[in-house]
Amino acid sequence: DVKVTQSSRYLVKRTGEKVFLECVQDMDHENMFWYRQDPGLGLRLIYFSYDVKMKEKGDIPEGYSVSREKKERFSLILESASTNQTSMYLCASSSIRTAAYEQYFGPGTRLTVT
Amino acid sequence: EDQVTQSPEALRLQEGESSSLNCSYTVSGLRGLFWYRQDPGKGPEFLFTLYSAGEEKEKERLKATLTKKESFLHITAPKPEDSATYLCAVQATNAGGTSYGKLTFGQGTILTVHP
Repeated sequence: DVKVTQSSRYLVKRTGEKVFLECVQDMDHENMFWYRQDPGLGLRLIYFSYDVKMKEKGDIPEGYSVSREKKERFSLILESASTNQTSMYLCASSSIRTAAYEQYFGPGTRLTVT
Repeated sequence: EDQVTQSPEALRLQEGESSSLNCSYTVSGLRGLFWYRQDPGKGPEFLFTLYSAGEEKEKERLKATLTKKESFLHITAPKPEDSATYLCAVQATNAGGTSYGKLTFGQGTILTVHP
């Protein structure tokens, strides 16, 4: 079974703090993704990575950065957390060795910025 | 631009009352259409991939079908444990470049099954 894990289920941070969210997958997938999910707005793609050290902006990259130093690990960084970044953050991974690159999701991190 | 629209937004069923969820899509070229189940406070769980019109996939009480413009998720004799949000997503073919891993998601249908 594909397993995607995220470093925290719940996180509470203060405005202005630097926040690291980590994601690890154990299936040797090439692609990794960070989404945020908000009521009424659905899933929105923040960043994705198709290879180590490679990254591309998604639909809402502002205020975020990412790092992928190893194939299995993809980190999302909030340089200076703000209250409008309170959200559910979801990591996903996919393999280009399948026909349609199905994405498998982690359990999510509920981040609250106060 | 790829678009996915799911309907209805919410659906309430009695246990055993079969129904269908709809996913309408527009995409330049379809690589795959995906269905996910999401329980409250958790990440989406992969259910099915459909690749071409006419294809059908089944899993327990769920059956997904695909046409050139929409997909249906049929739920036969649902049980309370089928209550969840069901998400549809599409992935476009890409002549080149690195964006071929991206999905476009619909807003989801919240299904509630009452005992």
